Amino acid sequence: EPEVTQTPSHQVTQMGQEVILRCVPISNHLYFYWYRQILGQKVEFLVSFYNNEISEKSEIFDDQFSVERPDGSNFTLKIRSTKLEDSAMYFCASRRETGKGTQYFGPGTRLTVL
Amino acid sequence: GESVGLHLPTLSVQEGDNSIINCAYSNSASDYFIWYKQESGKGPQFIIDIRSNMDKRQGQRVTVLLNKTVKHLSLQIAATQPGDSAVYFCAENYGSSNTGKLIFGQGTTLQVKP
Repeated sequence: EPEVTQTPSHQVTQMGQEVILRCVPISNHLYFYWYRQILGQKVEFLVSFYNNEISEKSEIFDDQFSVERPDGSNFTLKIRSTKLEDSAMYFCASRRETGKGTQYFGPGTRLTVL
Repeated sequence: GESVGLHLPTLSVQEGDNSIINCAYSNSASDYFIWYKQESGKGPQFIIDIRSNMDKRQGQRVTVLLNKTVKHLSLQIAATQPGDSAVYFCAENYGSSNTGKLIFGQGTTLQVKP
């Protein structure tokens, strides 16, 4: 069964450093998402991406964040200058069809900012 | 404001009993709802979804009920097993959002006692 994969599983970085979180969505999916989950809290939407552009972003997704689909398989989230409060689990998700449909989540990357 | 919430943070049931997890949503424009299961250290796993033109949907051992009048969603798990122990999130998609952005509730921890 196809699944969303994410690397690395755990990333530790120093405050102010740049990090890139990587995702490989399910191959025939068209819509891609990043969410984050601070420890013990609910999952929060960050950004949606379709047709090589951002379709919606949350207030959390400020100028420090960017997303890219550099090739036909990868989808990345970059945080330019990490802050302590960026520490969280970051989940990538993808969806196949237009309109409403199930989003399938990856296993997540745990980002720890020291 | 945007909010999807759950009535109870923790639900403890005996193995073999039925479980009912509740969720209240605030946006009457939401027209698509998903229940996700999240095990420790993993990403949200799709369980079942329902569109607003339905009030009940059944899967394998799970049933989702939607009451649009009171903006309430519930997940029923029949014959609960130890493997069902996890955090359960409801998520909603606004009717006006074609991007698929999901708004998650806080989560209910289901503990299954053997």
